[in-house]
Parts: sequence; structure tokens; C-alpha cells
Amino acid sequence: AQTVTQSQPEMSVQEAETVTLSCTYDTSESDYYLFWYKQPPSRQMILVIRQEAYKQQNATENRFSVNFQKAAKSFSLKISDSQLGDAAMYFCAPNAGGTSYGKLTFGQGTILTVHP
Amino acid sequence: DTGVSQDPRHKITKRGQNVTFRCDPISEHNRLYWYRQTLGQGPEFLTYFQNEAQLEKSRLLSDRFSAERPKGSFSTLEIQRTEQGDSAMYLCASSFGNEQFFGPGTRLTVL
Repeated sequence: AQTVTQSQPEMSVQEAETVTLSCTYDTSESDYYLFWYKQPPSRQMILVIRQEAYKQQNATENRFSVNFQKAAKSFSLKISDSQLGDAAMYFCAPNAGGTSYGKLTFGQGTILTVHP
Repeated sequence: DTGVSQDPRHKITKRGQNVTFRCDPISEHNRLYWYRQTLGQGPEFLTYFQNEAQLEKSRLLSDRFSAERPKGSFSTLEIQRTEQGDSAMYLCASSFGNEQFFGPGTRLTVL
């Protein structure tokens, strides 16, 4: 079974600054994907960025990038030039392979506050 | 709107009643997932379908829970004899590849 740990229940950042959210996970799979999802208050879950575990290059999506360390099973999210609209709960979620294809295991989340 | 839709968005029921939720996935998506999310926590996997076949059920899904996906299109999640512990947000997601697209959820309150 997969486990996911997000050790920062809450984080805050000033607008235009950079913040990093941490995530570690445990899996016995060799081939999997990792995702960061964003859930704004009372709104639905939105994919922020994804990383294929077999790729060494870290994924980047505009202001969002990841630091993926496969051996350490670490998958942190960096948000550059933070904007007020980035305020949300952020979830790290690896997916399962094999017969559980696609099933996501979520961490407990990090609440991000952006100060103007 | 071509996203995942869920109905109803909110449901208040009395303990012991049965409830049914519906999820309409994105039309070309062959996989459909149900998750449950309690306040301040991350979603927990309940079950998933590939087309009409239910391929996995979580141990969280007691005998009071049943899910169907007839004809591989929409899905229903039924909870029988609801308990206060069933109060949560029930999320549906669909996918064709590795990325899951989530619906807005159905918030269930059991009084």
C-alpha cells in the first residue's frame, strides 16, 4: 500500500515570492506517476502538475515546478511569483500501477495562504 | 460544459435512510473513480471502474455501499442505512490516461 506524507499542514507566502511544499511517499511500484492537485475553498480539485517516475527531468508548468528525488521518494512543489489565486489546499498524490491503475493516494494536504 | 458533473451537490438525510449519488464522467473517459473526503483531509479512494467493470473496491467500502456503472457511462454510488460517520464529500473523477479530472463533489450530511 502507498503512503503519502505532507509534513506542512499550513504554509504562507507573500505575493510575488516563492514557496516550496514538501511531500514524501512510499511505494513498492517501479513505474508510477506523481501529481500535485490544488483544491481552492469550496471548489473542485484541479491538477497543477504531474511527473512520470521514469523521467529524471523535473516537470515544469509555468510558475509551478517540482523537485523529484526518486531514490529518496520525495516530490516537492515550488510555486514561483505567488499570486493571490494560488491560495488553496494542495495535495500530493502518487498513483498506483498494475491492477490498481490510476488509483490516487492523497496526502493530508497543505493549506497555502498568500498575503498581499 | 464538458467536465465531470455530479448530482446532487448537497444532500442532507436522516440516519438510517438510503441515498444515491450520480456521476457523469467526461464522455470519452473509460475510467471512473469514487473518493471520499472528510473535512480537512485528503480524499480517500473508494472504488474504480474501467468501462462497466468494477475493478477494485477499498476496504473503506462497507457492505452498505454499492457502486455501479451500467454501460460504462455514468455511475451511481448508493449508501444504505446511512450513519453519521458517512457525512463527507463524495468525489468522482474520470480519466482516459493518467490524469484524473474531478467533479465538484456531493456533500452528504447525515443527521
